[in-house]
Amino acid sequence: GAVVSQHPSWVICKSGTSVKIECRSLDFQATTMFWYRQFPKQSLMLMATSNEGSKATYEQGVEKDKFLINHASLTLSTLTVTSAHPEDSSFYICSAGGGSSYGYTFGSGTRLTVV
Amino acid sequence: QQQVKQSPQSLIVQKGGISIINCAYENTAFDYFPWYQQFPGKGPALLIAIRPDVSEKKEGRFTISFNKSAKQFSLHIMDSQPGDSATYFCAASFSGGSNYKLTFGKGTLLTVNP
Repeated sequence: GAVVSQHPSWVICKSGTSVKIECRSLDFQATTMFWYRQFPKQSLMLMATSNEGSKATYEQGVEKDKFLINHASLTLSTLTVTSAHPEDSSFYICSAGGGSSYGYTFGSGTRLTVV
Repeated sequence: QQQVKQSPQSLIVQKGGISIINCAYENTAFDYFPWYQQFPGKGPALLIAIRPDVSEKKEGRFTISFNKSAKQFSLHIMDSQPGDSATYFCAASFSGGSNYKLTFGKGTLLTVNP
């Protein structure tokens, strides 16, 4: 079946540094990728939608300059959290469109802790 | 018009029992309704999905019931097992495949007691 690999699975970084999260579709081409943020015991909150080769579309309230999304190829999208602060600590999940009859294959998530 | 309302927030069921989770949507243009299962520290995994041209879809112990006129759909887990303990999310999206974003419900934490 369709597989989306997300790395790292967890990361701890110091406040003020940047962190990059990778999302790869391993056995299919993902024309669209979605990035979500999830707080404990809450639902998934869509941050942005990215299409290969074009700029990402951010949801209202999401800072474009803080959460940089790059979708340079049909198999790779990256989310960079710039100048991270403790309030950016969260569970980040990517989802790739394609790969199954209904699409939307999710990665395993990245637990970001900013200290 | 983009909301998907999910209930209950949490559910406790005995092993072997039936778990039922309900969702209601507002936007009649939605035509793809998936259910996702999420274990702690993991990404959501597609459990089962339905389109509005059918009223029910069954896959193993999991069944989706869909009521288009009421704009409601539900997940039934038959013979619930402790391994089913997880958070379940309903969602909705538009036709056109995976280029459209999913609108998620708030989730239901299911606990199946042995």
